[in-house]
Amino acid sequence: QVQLVQSGAEVKNPGASVKVSCKASGYTFTDSYMHWVRQAPGQGLEWMGWINPNTGSTKSAQRFQGRVTMTRDASISTAYMDLSGLRSDDTAIYYCARGYNWPDSPFWDWGQGALVTVSS
Amino acid sequence: EIVMTQSPATLSVSPGERATLSCRASQSISSNLAWYQQKPGQAPRLLIYGASTRATGIPARFSGSGSGTEFTLTISSLQSEDFAVYYCQQYNKWPPYSFGQGTKLEIK
Repeated sequence: QVQLVQSGAEVKNPGASVKVSCKASGYTFTDSYMHWVRQAPGQGLEWMGWINPNTGSTKSAQRFQGRVTMTRDASISTAYMDLSGLRSDDTAIYYCARGYNWPDSPFWDWGQGALVTVSS
Repeated sequence: EIVMTQSPATLSVSPGERATLSCRASQSISSNLAWYQQKPGQAPRLLIYGASTRATGIPARFSGSGSGTEFTLTISSLQSEDFAVYYCQQYNKWPPYSFGQGTKLEIK
């Protein structure tokens, strides 16, 4: 079965960067887009961007452009999301979610989430 | 940017009764709409895609309908495990893939 296993919780100072990983198994990693979605405490879901693990191409939401970098290492079936210039309102659970082999698809499977806390 | 609006924000229903949740898109999204269920401390789970197709393993009591701008998720006979937050999401025109703000389904 499909599994997305994310890295653990992080505590960061304002202005720092954080890198969250998402290790995939149970399917061919390069066959499905990987999305990143975040959820602030008690709030709803916010899409951040996707990466095509096959080509490495990325697309991000405008509000994160310049701050988010999505990469992958296909040899170990792992996607990464790096967010820089952290602020207190970046405190959230960050999820990776598997799409399909084209961008116009729902998110079939989700990682367990990684809590990122930004605090001085 | 397409804005997704869910109503109501909170819905109180008794077990065994029917629940009807609504989602409206600010412009037509065809049938490119998904519904997710999220329980406390858990990641979201895909319930419905293509507005009306149940994802693998989703019970038949969950059904989706609608197209264009108006969509509905219906849970025909609520079970205790169905009390959760439900989100709709459009994947027709992106970026961004916008979500609704969620409907909390609580026990009456």
